[in-house]
Amino acid sequence: EVQLVESGGGLVQPGGSLRLSCAASGFTFSRHWMHWVRQAPGKRPMWVSRVNGDGSTTAYADSVKGRFTISRDNAKNTLYLQMNSLRADDAAVYYCVRGGEPTVDYWGQGTLVTVSS
Amino acid sequence: DIVMTQSPDSLAVSLGERATINCKSSQSVLYSSNNKNYLGWFQQRPGQPPKLLIYWASTRESGVPDRFSGSGSGTDFTLTISSLQAEDVAVYYCQQYYSTPQTFGQGTNLEIK
Repeated sequence: EVQLVESGGGLVQPGGSLRLSCAASGFTFSRHWMHWVRQAPGKRPMWVSRVNGDGSTTAYADSVKGRFTISRDNAKNTLYLQMNSLRADDAAVYYCVRGGEPTVDYWGQGTLVTVSS
Repeated sequence: DIVMTQSPDSLAVSLGERATINCKSSQSVLYSSNNKNYLGWFQQRPGQPPKLLIYWASTRESGVPDRFSGSGSGTDFTLTISSLQAEDVAVYYCQQYYSTPQTFGQGTNLEIK
């Protein structure tokens, strides 16, 4: 059974940093692209970033480019999102999502990020 | 970015009746080289993450009941639930994966009448 468990969310002040983690199990982690997708309360999901199987290729939404960094550790079956210079509009539930064929398929339960002073 | 627009925003349907949700993309998501529409549908129940229902506009994900069906091509798509069940109460999102960034519609809130 595919499982994706996020952690690392919490309350942070504007301009602060957080590092999200996602522990994956139930599939061959290194064979899949992995994504972060966020969803503010009552809003549509918004794609944030993706990384390929070996971590060599990444992409970001324009709104987070230069502030967020996606990475992975295939030995630990773990996906990361380093978030710097956080702003109020970054507040959301952040989901770790598996890249399936042809589109994203399994989603974790999410971790809540709150940005407030 | 491709903008996805759904209609209606909310919908109330009686149990056992048909529910129809529409989705329009700001540009075509049909890839001519393989004649596939890069369009998915997701279901999000309260307090849960989205769940993939349909990809390639009309292919059901494994385990999805056959009362869910998708249709359409190019820029106009439809999700149909043929006979609404209580467990289908959710928000439904269309999604395009034709180009980066993948984008989602604003959602349709489906309720029981």
